[in-house]
Amino acid sequence: QLHLRESGPGLVKPSETLSLICTVSGGSFDRSDYYWAWIRQPPGKGLEWIGSVYYNGYSYYTPSLKGRVNISVDTSKNQFSLQVNSVTAADTGLYFCARHPPPPASGPFDYWGQGLLATVSS
Amino acid sequence: EILMTQSPATLSVSPGERATLSCRASQSVSRNLAWYQQKPGQTPRLLIYGASTRVAGIPARFSGSGSGTEFTLTISSLQSEDFAVYFCQQYYSWPPFTFGPGTKVEI
Repeated sequence: QLHLRESGPGLVKPSETLSLICTVSGGSFDRSDYYWAWIRQPPGKGLEWIGSVYYNGYSYYTPSLKGRVNISVDTSKNQFSLQVNSVTAADTGLYFCARHPPPPASGPFDYWGQGLLATVSS
Repeated sequence: EILMTQSPATLSVSPGERATLSCRASQSVSRNLAWYQQKPGQTPRLLIYGASTRVAGIPARFSGSGSGTEFTLTISSLQSEDFAVYFCQQYYSWPPFTFGPGTKVEI
């Protein structure tokens, strides 16, 4: 059974960098079958896809965050990471990692982590 | 970017009743549409993909229909465990993947 788990600091100061890690277990991470994604949810609001990374490091990002976000992969550790720079209170929320199929097949997010609450506050 | 809308924002129903949730895309997404259920404090759970294919283990009372820009999630007879927020999501054209704002199904 595939398992994803987010880790990282739950509190970040404004203007600093939010750094999270997703550790994948119970399945093959360094294969071409899936992309690995970050999705966030502000308190009481909906879901926003942040970006996705392939096992070879190729990544896509949502246009609204492009320039502030970087997603990288470490296949030796079965991990992928999220960095959000210059954070503000608007970046506060639950951060989920998940997986989805690559194009051209495409597909939904079928496995998710439990989520990690990241709060931006001084 | 494909914008997703959902209606109604809140749906009040009684246990045993039928619930019909709508999702609309700003342009055609073919049948590349998924539905998720999220309960308070929990992770979203994939219910349906390909507009109408139930994930293994999802009860048959959940059904999806539609194609193009109009989609529907129907819960035929609401159980207590079905009260939650439901999101639709398109994966036809990305980046970015986009979600609807959600429909809260409440008692």
